[in-house]
Amino acid sequence: DAKTTQPNSMESNEEEPVHLPCNHSTISGTDYIHWYRQLPSQGPEYVIHGLTSNVNNRMASLAIAEDRKSSTLILHRATLRDAAVYYCILRDRVSGTYKYIFGTGTRLKVLA
Amino acid sequence: DTEVTQTPKHLVMGMTNKKSLKCEQHMGHRAMYWYKQKAKKPPELMFVYSYEKLSINESVPSRFSPECPNSSLLNLHLHALQPEDSALYLCASSHGRGFTYNEQFFGPGTRLTVL
Repeated sequence: DAKTTQPNSMESNEEEPVHLPCNHSTISGTDYIHWYRQLPSQGPEYVIHGLTSNVNNRMASLAIAEDRKSSTLILHRATLRDAAVYYCILRDRVSGTYKYIFGTGTRLKVLA
Repeated sequence: DTEVTQTPKHLVMGMTNKKSLKCEQHMGHRAMYWYKQKAKKPPELMFVYSYEKLSINESVPSRFSPECPNSSLLNLHLHALQPEDSALYLCASSHGRGFTYNEQFFGPGTRLTVL
């Protein structure tokens, strides 16, 4: 299984940018990089995904290294509501079906 | 409707009980998933159903029995569980085969305690 490694925890001040790193040195050439986050007492929710190019959406940006062995999720202005566990995820294909391989996650604490 | 619902929210059961967890979605998704999540750990995949057929079983003990009666419903039948099975059980769904990208939509989970 392709795996990801993330720091266990990070802190940020409110209204400041946050850069959440992820290493995925065993990623295959065609696999997407996915980010989900899990707010307290909720199921994970989709944040962003990308393949090679940097990606932006209303929630975040995803910067992907040229060799694709690492990526960084960027929250441009952290708010208290962004406090969550952020998971960097790769997929594995089993019998024609994709499954997510969750990383250990980074617990983001946002300070007021 | 972009929601996955799970019932019950909380469940306490003894080791000899039989109970079921229920998951429902009305987004037309044809892939549905069961995950188990222990405290402060990432979700771990248990089962995947694709077009109502079981396509992945991650070597889950037989005391967990999944069922997909139709494309909107997913059940997890529980029997003779152990205290170490206490966890948050998450259901998710996605479009399924044929789509370029399959974002998974997760429910809020069922918090299971086995006494």
